[in-house]
Amino acid sequence: EVQLVQSGAEVKKPGESLRISCKGSGYSFTSYWISWVRQMPGKGLEWMGRIDPSDSYTNYRPSFQGHVTISADKSISTAYLHWSSLKASDTAMYYCARHFGGELISWFDPWGQGTLVTVSS
Amino acid sequence: DIQMTQSPSSLSASVGDRVTITCRASQGISNYLAWYQQKPGKVPKLLIYAASTLQSGVPSRFSGSGSGTDFTLTISSLQPEDVATYYCQKYNSALSFTFGPGTKVDIK
Repeated sequence: EVQLVQSGAEVKKPGESLRISCKGSGYSFTSYWISWVRQMPGKGLEWMGRIDPSDSYTNYRPSFQGHVTISADKSISTAYLHWSSLKASDTAMYYCARHFGGELISWFDPWGQGTLVTVSS
Repeated sequence: DIQMTQSPSSLSASVGDRVTITCRASQGISNYLAWYQQKPGKVPKLLIYAASTLQSGVPSRFSGSGSGTDFTLTISSLQPEDVATYYCQKYNSALSFTFGPGTKVDIK
């Protein structure tokens, strides 16, 4: 079974750093991109950026560029989303999702279970 | 960047009703459109890709159509378990995978 399993919920203070993870199993991790999606409380889905785990090439939605970093360790089939300095506005549920379809044209399936990040002083 | 809109933003319908949700792209995206269902408190789930191809395991009451800039998701006979928010997503570019704002579907 293809699965993405994310790390657990986090509670952090503004200014702190954080890295959350997404571990893939049941498929060749380096053959499919991974994207990260933000969902703020009561709001819709926002694509943040994606990584090609085979070479760690990334691209970001402009509004997230410079505020988060997406990385991957293919040796352990895990992708990461990293903040160096959290803000209260980063409070949200974060999902990872595997791309599926073609090399450049791909939809998201499956999704991880989500990681809730709460940033509060 | 291509913007995605959806209408209506919410709807309430009776069990058994035919429900149609519209998604519009600000520029043509061929058929590179997916639909996702997110039930309350749950993970988004892929329903349809390539505008009209039903994902394996999705009930046949769901269907999608459209190409270019205008797309629709139809539920032929609304069921209580279909209460959810539905999102469209474009994937015509490897640089951007924008979602629509969502349509919340409730039972009347």
